[in-house]
Amino acid sequence: SQQGEEDPQALSIQEGENATMNCSYKTSINNLQWYRQNSGRGLVHLILIRSNEREKHSGRLRVTLDTSKKSSSLLITASRAADTASYFCATEASNYQLIWGAGTKLIIKP
Amino acid sequence: EPEVTQTPSHQVTQMGQEVILRCVPISNHLYFYWYRQILGQKVEFLVSFYNNEISEKSEIFDDQFSVERPDGSNFTLKIRSTKLEDSAMYFCASPSPGESNEKLFFGSGTQLSVL
Repeated sequence: SQQGEEDPQALSIQEGENATMNCSYKTSINNLQWYRQNSGRGLVHLILIRSNEREKHSGRLRVTLDTSKKSSSLLITASRAADTASYFCATEASNYQLIWGAGTKLIIKP
Repeated sequence: EPEVTQTPSHQVTQMGQEVILRCVPISNHLYFYWYRQILGQKVEFLVSFYNNEISEKSEIFDDQFSVERPDGSNFTLKIRSTKLEDSAMYFCASPSPGESNEKLFFGSGTQLSVL
């Protein structure tokens, strides 16, 4: 079965810096999505990029997708303390099932 | 933003007991999903439910699990005889009306602890 794998597992940066998280997967996908999870809370959809797209922006978020390398990156620019959370990539191949990565724990130091 | 509501937020049960987790999904959409997340591990797909029937299920979703729509709006996940390894956060999700099925809205989850 395919898997999303994020790296790094944990990332700690200063407020105002940019945070980059990566995700790799193994099989063909329809789309790749990034979600955020605050500690002990639900999953919040951030952004979706389809397999025929290469880059997408939403506010301070920028997502890239390289289907030849089966990888994606999530960039958060000008990070804020409130961005502290775990970030997950999830790939959708068919039947609307999402296959999730293990997540990157992002800590923004004030 | 559309809201998916889950109850209870926490459930503690003894091994072998039955538990029922409840979800009120976004109305007017035919697709619903259950996922779970064992502490420190990946989110895992359990089951999808389309038009009052199971559409897809994972290997995790064995005979101990069942899903129902008892009254046409609420959506339940039942575990008949809980095991220690069922301890996890269980999430219900549904797409928003008017959205494609790609973008899911998740409930805040039910933390199940099996003792």
